[in-house]
Formats: sequence, structure tokens, C-alpha cells
Amino acid sequence: EAQVTQNPRYLITVTGKKLTVTCSQNMNHEYMSWYRQDPGLGLRQIYYSMNVEVTDKGDVPEGYKVSRKEKRNFPLILESPSPNQTSLYFCASRRGAAGDTQYFGPGTRLTVL
Amino acid sequence: AQSVAQPEDQVNVAEGNPLTVKCTYSVSGNPYLFWYVQYPNRGLQFLLKYITGDNLVKGSYGFEAEFNKSQTSFHLKKPSALVSDSALYFCAVRDNSQGGDDKIIFGKGTRLHILP
Repeated sequence: EAQVTQNPRYLITVTGKKLTVTCSQNMNHEYMSWYRQDPGLGLRQIYYSMNVEVTDKGDVPEGYKVSRKEKRNFPLILESPSPNQTSLYFCASRRGAAGDTQYFGPGTRLTVL
Repeated sequence: AQSVAQPEDQVNVAEGNPLTVKCTYSVSGNPYLFWYVQYPNRGLQFLLKYITGDNLVKGSYGFEAEFNKSQTSFHLKKPSALVSDSALYFCAVRDNSQGGDDKIIFGKGTRLHILP
């Protein structure tokens, strides 16, 4: 089954404790992206990657890092999480062209205390 | 800079009635426009998109949207609403004149309630 998977689905952590949210897709998509969803703000793009070893900032990249060492994986790294990073995070992928459909993962709900 | 607006936080429609969820956009070039739906505790699911061609786009679950360039709108419509259509709907836009930049902007979402 074609899908985007994220782990963990739920995470509660404390300020300053490094964490990684994994994202994997099995569709051989070139493009992958991370979003955060907050009430009243919709989805905001954090980082995106147009191919292996190619990443770029979205609209809200501060406090986040990403890497794209393999085509299928695009982990989101919070080196020193803070409470304002409490949010619902979505990973997405698409084949390549800008008009292609994006497929979203199920989401990761992160709480930073 | 590109932007997208969903002017209604919530829309209530009686089951069986037609529904419209509004979206307007602003881009410097030509837009790619998308609608996604989010059911509770789920990720976003693609409904339909406009890239080029026919202004009326048909999508999943009986939804359709009309691209109106003069009004810079891409409203989502369905002729007869179902209770199961109740969800959060997002409009998104990408300016296809961005070149290498690939930012996609989402609206804030509109919660659709279909009343039995």
C-alpha cells in the first residue's frame, strides 16, 4: 500500500531534550515536506526537500533541522525543543512536479513541557 | 508573495443541500490550486486540484471546484451534502512562477458541519 508513515504518533517531552520524528514514504517520491498545524493558523511549511541531499527552508524553519540522506526518509529534528513547538506535525511527499498531488502522513502530536 | 484566504472559519449546511467552501488566493504568476480534507485524527487527504485547462475541476467524493481567474477564487462545491462530509477543509496554492522555490501556502481551514 502506498503510504507516508510517521513515528512516533504521539510524543510528550521536556524542554531541551533533543528529539527526532521520522518520516518514510514507499512511493519513490522525490519531493518531501514537513508542516506544522496549529489552531487558527492552518498548515505552515517547515522544510522541504526536492531530492536527496537537497533541502530548503519553508515559512517556519526556526528551531528545526532536517536531513535527506535517502530518498524514502525525511526526518525532522528538534535539537532543543521549546513549548512553542508543541503542535501537530505532518510529513508529506509527492512525485516531483509542482502540480503533483501531495500525500500526507497521519500526523505526530508533539507536546513540549 | 503568495497567499490564500478562507474567509469562513465554519460553514453549516443541512444534509441534502448544496455546499460551498470559499477560497481566494494571491500569486504573482499563475497558480496551482488544491483542496484537501482532514477528518478527525487523520492526515490530510487530497480532494482535487487545478493546474491548467478546464476551469471546472471534479474531484473525490462528488466535490468540484471552479477556478475563477478574474475573482482569484477557487471555491469548493458539492450539489448535495452528506453528514459524512463534515470535516476540516484546506485550500492551498503554489505560484508556478517561483522557479526553484517550492513553497506551498495553505489556508487556515474551514470547518464544515453537515446537519442531519
